[in-house]
Amino acid sequence: QKEVEQNSGPLSVPEGAIASLNCTYSDRGSQSFFWYRQYSGKSPELIMSIYSNGDKEDGRFTAQLNKASQYVSLLIRDSQPSDSATYLCAVEIQGAQKLVFGQGTRLTINP
Amino acid sequence: GAVVSQHPSWVICKSGTSVKIECRSLDFQATTMFWYRQFPKQSLMLMATSNEGSKATYEQGVEKDKFLINHASLTLSTLTVTSAHPEDSSFYICSARWTEGHGYTFGSGTRLTVV
Repeated sequence: QKEVEQNSGPLSVPEGAIASLNCTYSDRGSQSFFWYRQYSGKSPELIMSIYSNGDKEDGRFTAQLNKASQYVSLLIRDSQPSDSATYLCAVEIQGAQKLVFGQGTRLTINP
Repeated sequence: GAVVSQHPSWVICKSGTSVKIECRSLDFQATTMFWYRQFPKQSLMLMATSNEGSKATYEQGVEKDKFLINHASLTLSTLTVTSAHPEDSSFYICSARWTEGHGYTFGSGTRLTVV
């Protein structure tokens, strides 16, 4: 089992709709979770971080964490074409202080 | 804050030569930096963890004699790809953990092409 798993997509969503991205992880002791956005040919940029169970909202983005189910998600409301990118879920491995990435989900927002 | 500067942004080298990539933390001190490699349409794979003043910790399967890492100061880590071959062509990205619980910031990446 991979340490961090994402649906690789591609995920296609119409403009203005909600995009939902999902991620599961295997290390039950992990405490820190991150969503990064990566445009083609660029390095990742941090979108959201979440550490506690529940929802965390920042503008059009909402991260959701369920440690019991070892599941973290990212919702993007009012999707814009500029949101088209690959979204990477990353989990900080407990004790190792290093990030492990999922394979990324390629999201396309259709005008 | 928490800016990581990476140079060069792209480099083309001949097979058999060595290439050095620099990663600098501009506005914070990074005792630990990370080096990733990303092949096309794939995710980031951690190559090694670079610790200031000590030897780097390499991930399983990464050749430490081929990918030399030096972290001589709190703001600079370098990755040298020695005796590069075409299969080493990839996107190399450095990262640093800048504040407890505030995530990791990434350099802009280096596109290496070995011909």
